[in-house]
Amino acid sequence: EDKVVQSPLSLVVHEGDTVTLNCSYEVTNFRSLLWYKQEKKAPTFLFMLTSSGIEKKSGRLSSILDKKELFSILNITATQTGDSAIYLCALNFGNEKLTFGTGTRLTIIP
Amino acid sequence: DTEVTQTPKHLVMGMTNKKSLKCEQHMGHRAMYWYKQKAKKPPELMFVYSYEKLSINESVPSRFSPECPNSSLLNLHLHALQPEDSALYLCASSPAPAASYEQYFGPGTRLTVT
Repeated sequence: EDKVVQSPLSLVVHEGDTVTLNCSYEVTNFRSLLWYKQEKKAPTFLFMLTSSGIEKKSGRLSSILDKKELFSILNITATQTGDSAIYLCALNFGNEKLTFGTGTRLTIIP
Repeated sequence: DTEVTQTPKHLVMGMTNKKSLKCEQHMGHRAMYWYKQKAKKPPELMFVYSYEKLSINESVPSRFSPECPNSSLLNLHLHALQPEDSALYLCASSPAPAASYEQYFGPGTRLTVT
């Protein structure tokens, strides 16, 4: 079974802190890695990463993929209470199937 | 229109009922997906439709029956469900069934089977 593991499982920080979320995987034959944010219901798309070492950035969020070490990180700087959510990474193997990781529950305390 | 809509938002049904979940998108996407998400777990893929044809069935029990009447609509017909089928059912779509496209998710239907 393709395995995608996220760490930490849960994280509580104060507003303004910077957080780094990790997504590790055991396979190498995927086409892309995606990050999603899930608040109450629908996961919302954040980033798609296909190439190793190229950082993607959107406001306070950034992400990078390391295909050699088999992981991706999602950084959030100057966190806000609205960043509280479950963050999911997923691998796309090119067959339309997304395999999701275990998720990290992030809580930002005002 | 840049969203995926799902109806109903909540559904409670008995084990002998027949009900349907509906998903709609008007973004011209040609791939649509059904996922099941249990509490505190990531979404798990159930079905994929590519160009209105079923392309992936992840060994889902036959009490779940998907249907794609046209490129904008995706239904999930439910019959004789079990209490363990209670979950959040998410629909998603992507421009095409390829790894280079992200999937856009709907808000989900929270299903409770009694």
